[in-house]
Amino acid sequence: AQTVTQSQPEMSVQEAETVTLSCTYDTSESDYYLFWYKQPPSRQMILVIRQEAYKQQNATENRFSVNFQKAAKSFSLKISDSQLGDAAMYFCAYRRVSNTGNQFYFGTGTSLTVIP
Amino acid sequence: KAGVTQTPRYLIKTRGQQVTLSCSPISGHRSVSWYQQTPGQGLQFLFEYFSETQRNKGNFPGRFSGRQFSNSRSEMNVSTLELGDSALYLCASSLIRGRGAETQYFGPGTRLLVL
Repeated sequence: AQTVTQSQPEMSVQEAETVTLSCTYDTSESDYYLFWYKQPPSRQMILVIRQEAYKQQNATENRFSVNFQKAAKSFSLKISDSQLGDAAMYFCAYRRVSNTGNQFYFGTGTSLTVIP
Repeated sequence: KAGVTQTPRYLIKTRGQQVTLSCSPISGHRSVSWYQQTPGQGLQFLFEYFSETQRNKGNFPGRFSGRQFSNSRSEMNVSTLELGDSALYLCASSLIRGRGAETQYFGPGTRLLVL
């Protein structure tokens, strides 16, 4: 079974600084997707960034970027120039490529605090 | 496009009652998944529906059931409510392409409180 591990329950960062959230996963598949979702206090889950395993280039979305290490099964999220609005719970998620099912596996989340 | 909508947003029930939650996916999305989120257990997968068929099911008792209609709208039902069913129930929809679903888009959730 696939598992996703986020070993940092809580993190904090000074406003305008950079923070990295860690995620590791366990799979025997070679083709899959990885995601970072953000859940602010409103509880609305928002997609932050997505990575396809067959792409070697790390995904980037504005201030958010990932460090995807396929051999190490590691998928960390880097937030640059942190803003107060980045404060949220961040979830790492995994999904294998399949047309027969759409199950996503989520980590337990990292709560990010941004200090003004 | 409108996002995923869920109704109701808040619900209070008592033990033993049953409840039905509704989810309308993004237009064109035929896959709908349901999750239960609690502080202690995180996000737990309930089930996924695609083209009115349940494709995947998580490890939940039979009291939890769902269905999907021809317009892709989905409902989930919980019968004989227990205190432990108090949670945020999230619905997510996906567009299915050749490589399966690329991304899940979540609704705002239904917060259920069981007294």
